[in-house]
Parts: sequence; C-alpha cells; structure tokens
Amino acid sequence: DAGVIQSPRHEVTEMGQEVTLRCKPISGHNSLFWYRQTMMRGLELLIYFNNNVPIDDSGMPEDRFSAKMPNASFSTLKIQPSEPRDSAVYFCASSPATNFVQYFGPGTRLTVT
Amino acid sequence: AQTVTQSQPEMSVQEAETVTLSCTYDTSESDYYLFWYKQPPSRQMILVIRQEAYKQQNATENRFSVNFQKAAKSFSLKISDSQLGDAAMYFCAYNVMDYGQNFVFGPGTRLSVLP
Repeated sequence: DAGVIQSPRHEVTEMGQEVTLRCKPISGHNSLFWYRQTMMRGLELLIYFNNNVPIDDSGMPEDRFSAKMPNASFSTLKIQPSEPRDSAVYFCASSPATNFVQYFGPGTRLTVT
Repeated sequence: AQTVTQSQPEMSVQEAETVTLSCTYDTSESDYYLFWYKQPPSRQMILVIRQEAYKQQNATENRFSVNFQKAAKSFSLKISDSQLGDAAMYFCAYNVMDYGQNFVFGPGTRLSVLP
C-alpha cells in the first residue's frame, strides 16, 4: 500500500496567490482529515470528510480556506488568497471505519512570503 | 469538549534506559480510543500504539507499552531500551465515534535520546 499521498511536498508562494494542496487517501478508507501544524498552535484539525461528505469544518480558519472531496480517492485544500500567516505544514490523514486509526501523509510545507 | 493534556513539553533519556511520557484526557464517554503518535524530524506522523478503552489489558508493541488507567483518565507511554531513533515529538491522541470521528491531539512531548 502506498499510504496517504500528498502533493506538493513543498510550496513557496507570494502573498495573495492561490494555493492548492492535494491528497490521495489510502484505498478503502472512508474518512479524510486535513490538519495544519505550526510551532505556535500545534496540530489543528481543519476539516473532516466521511464518505466524501464534509462533516466538521469548524476548524477552517476563515473563508479564504476551502476543501473539497469530489470522490473517494482525492481531496484538495485551497487557500485563496494566501497570507504569510498561512505558512505551516499541512497534513492529510485517512482512516478506515474499522479501527479509527488515522494514517498520515508526509505533509506539505507551505511558505507564503 | 474532549481535551488531551501532555504536561511534559520536553524529556530526555539515556540510550538503553527507560522513559515514561505522561498523558491525561478529559471525556464523558465510556467507549473511545487512545493513541500515541511519533513525529521524528522527517515530520512524518507515525502510529506507535493504540488502546481501546473497553480493554483493560494494556497495549504493547515491542519496546513500547502503555499504562492505561481509565478511572484516572491517564494514558502514559513507556519506552524501554531507548534507542537514538526514538528521538521525536510524541503526541497523545483520543478518538470517539460521536456522529463521526472526534479526534483530539495533545500538544506533544519532545523526547531527546542521549548517547
């Protein structure tokens, strides 16, 4: 199994630009999570999908952030427009219904200058 | 709301020695799951060990074991025969099925292993 796949691994962009992060969950997992990790705030849950449907987006910071899951094998997290305070590592994780373990991708390090 | 507390921001251990990382949580649920994740400098989040709350027996995975005290809402991780590769951030986490998953992470403990 390839595990959770995230792309890109690193992204450097200028303030005001649109950023799209991508995630491919493990096949057969029915839940998908987007997290943001910073030194100041630790690991924060942004949004959680179950069977491709957003269940909890209360962690999404503001309207500049949006997430989609058009099918069971793909999800995107978009930031438009990006700001320097969005600089962080963004993780995607997927989870099966059988054991409630979250399996994390390698993360995307986003730098907004 | 559920919370997870890790009271030790940093710890260190001598190679080959044993170290225990603390975790407490707050919940009103009776059936839930607890986890320890490891995040080495590569930043990959790796599952170390998992415990179901309805199981009284403490989980073990090779050199890693937990001390689960349900009444005290405590879930500590013991690492035996510490190795240099154990140096990492360790996160305690809680999950309960409540109209979907409700996964909560603690703030983490940074573990250093001294040669």
